[in-house]
Amino acid sequence: GAGVSQSPSNKVTEKGKDVELRCDPISGHTALYWYRQSLGQGLEFLIYFQGNSAPDKSGLPSDRFSAERTGGSVSTLTIQRTQQEDSAVYLCASSQRQGRGEQYFGPGTRLTVT
Amino acid sequence: SQQGEEDPQALSIQEGENATMNCSYKTSINNLQWYRQNSGRGLVHLILIRSNEREKHSGRLRVTLDTSKKSSSLLITASRAADTASYFCATDAGETSGSRLTFGEGTQLTVNP
Repeated sequence: GAGVSQSPSNKVTEKGKDVELRCDPISGHTALYWYRQSLGQGLEFLIYFQGNSAPDKSGLPSDRFSAERTGGSVSTLTIQRTQQEDSAVYLCASSQRQGRGEQYFGPGTRLTVT
Repeated sequence: SQQGEEDPQALSIQEGENATMNCSYKTSINNLQWYRQNSGRGLVHLILIRSNEREKHSGRLRVTLDTSKKSSSLLITASRAADTASYFCATDAGETSGSRLTFGEGTQLTVNP
């Protein structure tokens, strides 16, 4: 169906608050990825999910970051006790399966921590 | 750390000219991909070249890959103002890494009408 969607598109939060970012992958895509892009930089891998396997969390920058993927579809990235350095665009991508190559990206959530 | 490094960081050309962007990487790869990003938001996949391929074409795009030099180039021919965007190379080290993509920092291309 439609492409990858993310919500909210923009989020402004105060330092110390928790935020939740949502990603709806393309239907049928089993692999889901979260990336972070700081201003003027390339994308930094955070975490990926493949089917029912345990997620690869090796890119998460601290234990304040966590992510879930429910029912093999929607994913939520949670950042606890946000810091100013967490300000970035958070991008989600999905692909048909791991190793397929091409990833389809959502429009991203721009997070600003004040 | 970034796997890929693009150069130049910024490129400004006139409409109709060709634009060439280069990418270097450090480790073995399964494939290399180029993406385009407008206004700092979602990325659009342009082209994928596998490690056993040397050149690939798609419309006005031509990608080359030299695995011995760990480098790739993206050529956009007959550029248009609408090609103005950031272009990123991304390497895929294969299923052992979950096929996560490792991105360079991008080339900002400006095509002047």
